[in-house]
Formats: sequence, structure tokens, C-alpha cells
Amino acid sequence: DSGVTQTPKHLITATGQRVTLRCSPRSGDLSVYWYQQSLDQGLQFLIQYYNGEERAKGNILERFSAQQFPDLHSELNLSSLELGDSALYFCASSVEPRNRGGGNTIYFGEGSWLTVV
Amino acid sequence: SQQGEEDPQALSIQEGENATMNCSYKTSINNLQWYRQNSGRGLVHLILIRSNEREKHSGRLRVTLDTSKKSSSLLITASRAADTASYFCATWGNRDDKIIFGKGTRLHILP
Repeated sequence: DSGVTQTPKHLITATGQRVTLRCSPRSGDLSVYWYQQSLDQGLQFLIQYYNGEERAKGNILERFSAQQFPDLHSELNLSSLELGDSALYFCASSVEPRNRGGGNTIYFGEGSWLTVV
Repeated sequence: SQQGEEDPQALSIQEGENATMNCSYKTSINNLQWYRQNSGRGLVHLILIRSNEREKHSGRLRVTLDTSKKSSSLLITASRAADTASYFCATWGNRDDKIIFGKGTRLHILP
């Protein structure tokens, strides 16, 4: 158990709908990362937050948005869903966003399986 | 663009043999990490090697890093059935906070 909690574990929804994925980081971790994993695209970095603020952005579509709340949990909102958005969405967390010489490990949740039909 | 690229994409070996996977990356890094993913599960951190280190060991794992060639290798010795998984390298650059993963090597240990 990594200590990172993601809900829901599985989600089936129709095209055009909107869903929200939730992530609780490990206790004490200030940084949250979101990744999308699909068969053809591998593990794609979407976005990262540190202590409530956006720190880095990857290949995140404009239909997707995220935020990190004061209690450090994070939500990834996916709207106007398309069939191609079906994937496993991972949240990960770490203590700090940047390596300060000691190296930082990021810890992954078990993911949220999204199926768009 | 993808930072880390693992090679080979897939590898099947007999139980007890050693498995070697390679990772190449493009830009300067602060550290490189290896992760394992069992099918449909989250990624599990295996080992981290810093840019000023050349080799690191953890149990049956041995990681090397060659910053001049921008490459790393992961060696799993005396493989077991439980080692069947996908293995990813991840790099954390010097200039930004993104941790970028390669597409992974799918390792299958044959009984």
C-alpha cells in the first residue's frame, strides 16, 4: 500500500459526459501528479501541483482540468469525454516537487479505470 | 517528447536467468528511477540512482547509469515468476518538475 488513495477505482460513462477523479496523497506529501496510461500512449504526464499551486503541465487536454485543495487532496476533471479518453488515470505524490540533492521518490495510487462508451 | 525510452519493449526469459533492461533519455537529469507495474496496478518504486552515481544495488536489482551516454540499465538477477511485470524508467530533469516515464519493458518470466 503506497498510501495514495484514488477514487473511484472503476468508472463507466458515456461520451460527452463529465467525470471527476479524486486523489488523496500520502500523509505529509505536498506534491501531487496526474498521469494517464493507455495501451497506445504509455504513461503520459498530465499535470502536477505543489501545495495547492500548479507546478508543471504536460500533455493535458483543454477538456481536462485539475486542482489541489487546501487539505492537499486533488481532483482531475474530465469533460466532454471521448472514446479515446478511456484509460487508467494515476495519481502520485511526493514530499517535494524538486530533487534537493537527496532524490525524491513518487508514490502511485492504484489508479482509476475510466471507460467511455 | 518522451524522455525515457526502455529497450527491449518485451522480454521473455526462463526463471532463474538474469533479465537486463535498458533505458535511454534525452536531456540532462538530476536522477533516474526505475518502477515496476503489475498488470492493471499502480507503479511501485524500485530504485533511484542520482546523476553522480554510476551503480547501485538493492537486493536482486542492480542499476547502472552512464550520463555520458544518457543511458541506464536495470539488471534483475535470479529471476522469479513474481518478477513478471512491466518496468519503467523515469527521469526528473534539472530544470523542471516533470517526471517523465518511458513506455516500459514487459518482462515475462517463464516457469
